[in-house]
Amino acid sequence: DQQVKQNSPSLSVQEGRISILNCDYTNSMFDYFLWYKKYPAEGPTFLISISSIKDKNEDGRFTVFLNKSAKHLSLHIVPSQPGDSAVYFCAAINNAGNMLTFGGGTRLMVKP
Amino acid sequence: EPEVTQTPSHQVTQMGQEVILRCVPISNHLYFYWYRQILGQKVEFLVSFYNNEISEKSEIFDDQFSVERPDGSNFTLKIRSTKLEDSAMYFCASSRDSGGIGNQPQHFGDGTRLSIL
Repeated sequence: DQQVKQNSPSLSVQEGRISILNCDYTNSMFDYFLWYKKYPAEGPTFLISISSIKDKNEDGRFTVFLNKSAKHLSLHIVPSQPGDSAVYFCAAINNAGNMLTFGGGTRLMVKP
Repeated sequence: EPEVTQTPSHQVTQMGQEVILRCVPISNHLYFYWYRQILGQKVEFLVSFYNNEISEKSEIFDDQFSVERPDGSNFTLKIRSTKLEDSAMYFCASSRDSGGIGNQPQHFGDGTRLSIL
């Protein structure tokens, strides 16, 4: 099941620079997208979301962009900080239900 | 900030035994969920629960699984006869409302690591 895919298993970025995490989806019924951050031995923590009626949502250092025609979304973190080092999961949900479909995650390492 | 709490953090059980995983969702939330993550794999949806009944379940959630809200605060996942392949991290989540545009996100607990021997 590859309805939500994160093609980069890992990403390394220098502190202060921009981190860009990408996510692709195949199911056109998805209409709400979320990013979660996960530290080891903890559960996923909600970060930011976007509905399909928007193409951008911003919250402090975090911005999510949605390109519906390409079925692609991305999370931008700027400036990146060492505390941002974690696994980031993209997830999607459709209006007909309430189950989250997760991508495989991208491990972000922010180097001081 | 209110959070979802799960107990135990780690459960070791013999194959064939029953196991109950416990969760206390955020108090004003109405929707409750169980997900699991097998080591090295994606987080997978198991079941959602609203108004004292299952609202959605995946193919994984077969007859050996059941969920219950025995009182006003706890939400449990029972696995009747555990198998080796049930070994995974099990996450409970809750949300104020259901999916859809403008909905409230699901908030996750820290999980229970289930090890089947």
